[in-house]
Amino acid sequence: RKEVEQDPGPFNVPEGATVAFNCTYSNSASQSFFWYRQDCRKEPKLLMSVYSSGNEDGRFTAQLNRASQYISLLIRDSKLSDSATYLCVVEGSGGSYIPTFGRGTSLIVHP
Amino acid sequence: GAGVSQSPSNKVTEKGKDVELRCDPISGHTALYWYRQSLGQGLEFLIYFQGNSAPDKSGLPSDRFSAERTGGSVSTLTIQRTQQEDSAVYLCASSLASGSGETQYFGPGTRLLVL
Repeated sequence: RKEVEQDPGPFNVPEGATVAFNCTYSNSASQSFFWYRQDCRKEPKLLMSVYSSGNEDGRFTAQLNRASQYISLLIRDSKLSDSATYLCVVEGSGGSYIPTFGRGTSLIVHP
Repeated sequence: GAGVSQSPSNKVTEKGKDVELRCDPISGHTALYWYRQSLGQGLEFLIYFQGNSAPDKSGLPSDRFSAERTGGSVSTLTIQRTQQEDSAVYLCASSLASGSGETQYFGPGTRLLVL
């Protein structure tokens, strides 16, 4: 089992739709969780950290489920500009600070 | 302020040649990471530095790969005797420290093509 797994998609949704991605991780000792966004041929950029209590930033909501070892990202009212690849990142396993990136979930928002 | 910069932005080389990739982290960031990303693939961790030392080199694919960091700032990733499978985008990131929970800031990457 890979350390961090994501459905590669693509998720093809119309503008205004709500879409959710999940990411599972294998190491229960993982401590920190993030969602990064990567546009085509660009570098990844932090979208949001994921806290145990869940957190929201505008149209984006991130949740952590430690018992089932997954994190989720919910995007409400999708915009064309949300089209990108969303990378799940997990770090802090076994005392290591090396972040492990998922392969990403591709989102395409169409008019 | 200035972000992470990398040079060159693109590099085309012939199989068997050595290449050197450079990363300038954000000023004051003590942690620096190298990754590579092949087409359609996720980020593959290569090596990270805390200051000038590299606590974890486990991701380097072979002994043809090496990296150094001097003065706690600029880092270079060297690939000797390049092979076609080395073709990828090499990304550098820096963070304030290497503790868990630190945000990583990525440079634009170096696109390496080995012919």
